[in-house]
Amino acid sequence: DTGVSQNPRHKITKRGQNVTFRCDPISEHNRLYWYRQTLGQGPEFLTYFQNEAQLEKSRLLSDRFSAERPKGSFSTLEIQRTEQGDSAMYLCASSTDRGRIYGYTFGSGTRLTVV
Amino acid sequence: RKEVEQDPGPFNVPEGATVAFNCTYSNSASQSFFWYRQDCRKEPKLLMSVYSSGNEDGRFTAQLNRASQYISLLIRDSKLSDSATYLCVVSYSSASKIIFGSGTRLSIRP
Repeated sequence: DTGVSQNPRHKITKRGQNVTFRCDPISEHNRLYWYRQTLGQGPEFLTYFQNEAQLEKSRLLSDRFSAERPKGSFSTLEIQRTEQGDSAMYLCASSTDRGRIYGYTFGSGTRLTVV
Repeated sequence: RKEVEQDPGPFNVPEGATVAFNCTYSNSASQSFFWYRQDCRKEPKLLMSVYSSGNEDGRFTAQLNRASQYISLLIRDSKLSDSATYLCVVSYSSASKIIFGSGTRLSIRP
């Protein structure tokens, strides 16, 4: 499988619980992005890694959110003390350094429902 | 004002029609432009990059107007399978995140 892989596909959690999502980018892609998408909206940027370095974080990423990419390969996004407003599709994308020419490849996303 | 703005639609057109969408962006330093397609409950998929000189891919034509800060997508001879949400995407630099518009919904009717 040469695409971007995200797990789990769906997650239902109770408010206040912690959740962690995983993204495996395309192997030769050094850049990895996390986005969040709610119904009727375009994806909103959360954070971006170049290799293992987290280069940018959105103000949307509150203290309850943390992302890591420890070896520059897969990445995890953790949400602590989930709230109902966290319910959304969490999308991961990856690219090479030439992403601005060739675009970015998205995974199928993790759909989070907080009840 | 949003960084990338699109008419949300929906555009409802008959099969075979030509349809065009525009997208405006606020940052004049924007360097890269794309159109993505997103089917219901699926991930966005790259439809085409948008080059300064404009570019065409089959029935799809993309144009960039830097002076007026907008990009456009033209779909000719529309097919039922073109029904989707079309997302306008902008990037400021090669090292930057990409920013999405809210998308334009297109529905092609038989």
